[in-house]
Amino acid sequence: QSVLTQPPSMSAAPGQKVTVSCSGSSSKIGNSYVSWYQQFPGTAPKLLIYENNKRPSGIPDRFSGSKSGTSATLGITGLQTGDEADYYCGTWDNSLSVWVFGGGTRLTVL
Amino acid sequence: QLVESGGGVVQPGRSLRLSCAASGFTFSTFGMHWVRQAPGKGLEWVAVIWFDASKKYHADSVKGRFTISRDNSKNTLYLEMNSLRVEDTAVYYCATDRGKRGWFDPWGQGTLVTVSS
Repeated sequence: QSVLTQPPSMSAAPGQKVTVSCSGSSSKIGNSYVSWYQQFPGTAPKLLIYENNKRPSGIPDRFSGSKSGTSATLGITGLQTGDEADYYCGTWDNSLSVWVFGGGTRLTVL
Repeated sequence: QLVESGGGVVQPGRSLRLSCAASGFTFSTFGMHWVRQAPGKGLEWVAVIWFDASKKYHADSVKGRFTISRDNSKNTLYLEMNSLRVEDTAVYYCATDRGKRGWFDPWGQGTLVTVSS
């Protein structure tokens, strides 16, 4: 059981928009930045969003992030089949001095 | 760039040391993490070490058995794993700490550790 809660799976059609939620607590998410990672099967995770809503260079603006209170959201617009992947949120828990990940969300674009 | 090595098949109760060689950035100025992923499972954070090794933190699941360390003169991160258990079987990734535990970037390609009799 992960400390950050994400829906295990989501699906949407090409061209549509999807939002992936990540729910925590005041010590997790509430007081720290949230980052998001994209992982394709058999490959290492890749940074998608950092500091709640910033995109690294090379990440399309179809990807966005937001945070409110103890929850964070990853948004993907204009879905493409190439977006099929696992998505993880993560944050540093300042009270316990540990990093925590969400359980991951498998996105299917059908 | 980060390149892990040292993975392999090991019997329960034995030890293994993983290495992560860094290049292309000033290794000695960044904290580093180990993250693992069991087959078919999600990401699990393992440990973090400050840029100067002044602080180290480990996940409860590995505390007392695993130790993170680094050699800044060799641009290398280590994970010493003792008393290995079947449930430690996973791909182990090293990752660079950014923004003081704000995010991970980049990640290594991972090295597979299989604990089996």
